[in-house]
Amino acid sequence: QVQLVESGGDLVKPGGSLRLSCAASGFTFSDYYMSWIRQAPGKGLEWLSYISSSGNTIYYADSVKGRFTISRDNAKNSLYLQMNSLRAEDTAFYYCVTTRTFDHWGQGTLVTVSS
Amino acid sequence: QSALTQPRSVSGSPGQSVTISCTGTSSDVGGYKFVSWYQQHPGKAPKLMIYDVTKRPPGVPDRFSGSKSGNTASLTISGLQAEDEADYYCCSYAGSYVFGTGTKVTVL
Repeated sequence: QVQLVESGGDLVKPGGSLRLSCAASGFTFSDYYMSWIRQAPGKGLEWLSYISSSGNTIYYADSVKGRFTISRDNAKNSLYLQMNSLRAEDTAFYYCVTTRTFDHWGQGTLVTVSS
Repeated sequence: QSALTQPRSVSGSPGQSVTISCTGTSSDVGGYKFVSWYQQHPGKAPKLMIYDVTKRPPGVPDRFSGSKSGNTASLTISGLQAEDEADYYCCSYAGSYVFGTGTKVTVL
């Protein structure tokens, strides 16, 4: 069955950096577009970025453009999110999700940005 | 992209029907046939319930149905059951993706 396992969430100071990873299994990862979606505690869902199956096409939400970088390694069945210049408002659960319809979600990893 | 507008909450008794609206613009909901709906129980990841406005993934009960008119999409839950109590989010493709503000469904 499809499994997506995020890791890398942590407590980080404002202005700091963090790299999230997502390990995929149970499907042909290289066939799928993938997205990162986040949810601040008690708040709604926010789409952040997607990457095409080959990695050639990438889109970002305005809220993270220039600070976050999505990437993938199809040989390792892995998705990544490099997050720089982190702010308090980036505090959230971060989900790795198959795309175009968001039909499979990981369990999420918590990023807390606080001094 | 501004978030799509959903009612904060809707409620109904078991067996009743409830409808959740999702209002956007001609640049998102009105411009594409790619509206999806997600159910989220507390502490859990969201679950896809409807995609491409009206389609149900395997395993989703046919009590859940979707529709769209103009810039507004809707999710209807017929024959409301206790386990339907959850948060629901719409989402539209718009070149990128935009989610709705979320609706809490309460089963009375």
